[in-house]
Amino acid sequence: DQQVKQNSPSLSVQEGRISILNCDYTNSMFDYFLWYKKYPAEGPTFLISISSIKDKNEDGRFTVFLNKSAKHLSLHIVPSQPGDSAVYFCAASVGNKLVFGAGTILRVKS
Amino acid sequence: GAGVSQSPRYKVAKRGQDVALRCDPISGHVSLFWYQQALGQGPEFLTYFQNEAQLDKSGLPSDRFFAERPEGSVSTLKIQRTQQEDSAVYLCASSARQRSYEQYFGPGTRLTVT
Repeated sequence: DQQVKQNSPSLSVQEGRISILNCDYTNSMFDYFLWYKKYPAEGPTFLISISSIKDKNEDGRFTVFLNKSAKHLSLHIVPSQPGDSAVYFCAASVGNKLVFGAGTILRVKS
Repeated sequence: GAGVSQSPRYKVAKRGQDVALRCDPISGHVSLFWYQQALGQGPEFLTYFQNEAQLDKSGLPSDRFFAERPEGSVSTLKIQRTQQEDSAVYLCASSARQRSYEQYFGPGTRLTVT
């Protein structure tokens, strides 16, 4: 049972444009949501998080939006840069564990 | 560097062999987590330590999997009698706080069972 879903396996965006990565979840008990970025042969790197009581959190070029009624969150990257090309994982926190989605491969073309 | 380190980075084991995977968390981090990542999937939780206490092992797939953190710093994940389905990347993460968010991951150990 996949509690966190990333329905787009990949996304291709032109440099300078906006990248929007989406994530859906089913468990109402999740209290924090996070985005991780992963390069090949490295572990995931924490990017940005949002509490379940907020609807937006911004950090530089990265903004995460949370829509609790739709059980949906998204990560916006503006402007996208070639160095942003990586796998992005959505994760949700419940208790002492993180539940991850399957990831979305982002390719930013220059 | 002061990040999470894991060793070995790659391990090939014959089916039936025992393996031990090591994790050195960030110094002073209270919480330590192990995850299993199959090809094309996100990491899946295996177990959680707070200092030396293993507080959650609900994700361990079978009794062949065992983890320890005897002094509250370095941790070892042991897999006995490895099977082909154990082939995956094993990730270790640590966190300064007792809650799970903002975990810092190591590079992982890629285990291949032949």
